[in-house]
Amino acid sequence: DTGVSQNPRHKITKRGQNVTFRCDPISEHNRLYWYRQTLGQGPEFLTYFQNEAQLEKSRLLSDRFSAERPKGSFSTLEIQRTEQGDSAMYLCASSPSKLGGNEQFFGPGTRLTVL
Amino acid sequence: AQTVTQSQPEMSVQEAETVTLSCTYDTSESDYYLFWYKQPPSRQMILVIRQEAYKQQNATENRFSVNFQKAAKSFSLKISDSQLGDAAMYFCAYRNNAGNMLTFGGGTRLMVKP
Repeated sequence: DTGVSQNPRHKITKRGQNVTFRCDPISEHNRLYWYRQTLGQGPEFLTYFQNEAQLEKSRLLSDRFSAERPKGSFSTLEIQRTEQGDSAMYLCASSPSKLGGNEQFFGPGTRLTVL
Repeated sequence: AQTVTQSQPEMSVQEAETVTLSCTYDTSESDYYLFWYKQPPSRQMILVIRQEAYKQQNATENRFSVNFQKAAKSFSLKISDSQLGDAAMYFCAYRNNAGNMLTFGGGTRLMVKP
């Protein structure tokens, strides 16, 4: 399967714990995006990488959130000191380098539940 | 800031019938892209159709077509000959030409009755 993959698919944690999610984009895509989707809502943009450079961050990305893409391939999203409000589906997407109307290909998401 | 609004939280259609999902958006840009994404239950989001704002002709992909009204900032999705597999959440999304992020609407849940 050559689509976007995300691990884990589900994560249950207690408030105050740190969690890390991983995203593996489609191999030839150099652009990678993270979105957050709460129940019954549309996804909201969090951050964007072109290769290893993080070029854009939403104000939704508080200082408890950090994202990396160390070698321009896979990416990790870490949430420190989780809060119940962090419970959501975290979606990763990738797209090729050409801008224009190229679609973003989405992964299956990681569902985070903070107890 | 751009906003995308989907005013229909839920829609229902009989199998083989036609249904139209509404979307409006707000932007001051003249060059941008609009998308409809489908998110089946517990499955990943996939692109249904895209529209470039500079194109006057409405996009069509098999049973899916759009009605793009640039002046009215309206972008509706028409699904013809609805099938059971069309049941899903549908999200309208906007991206400006220079940007990278997608701005999504709140979604419309489409139910297809056999």
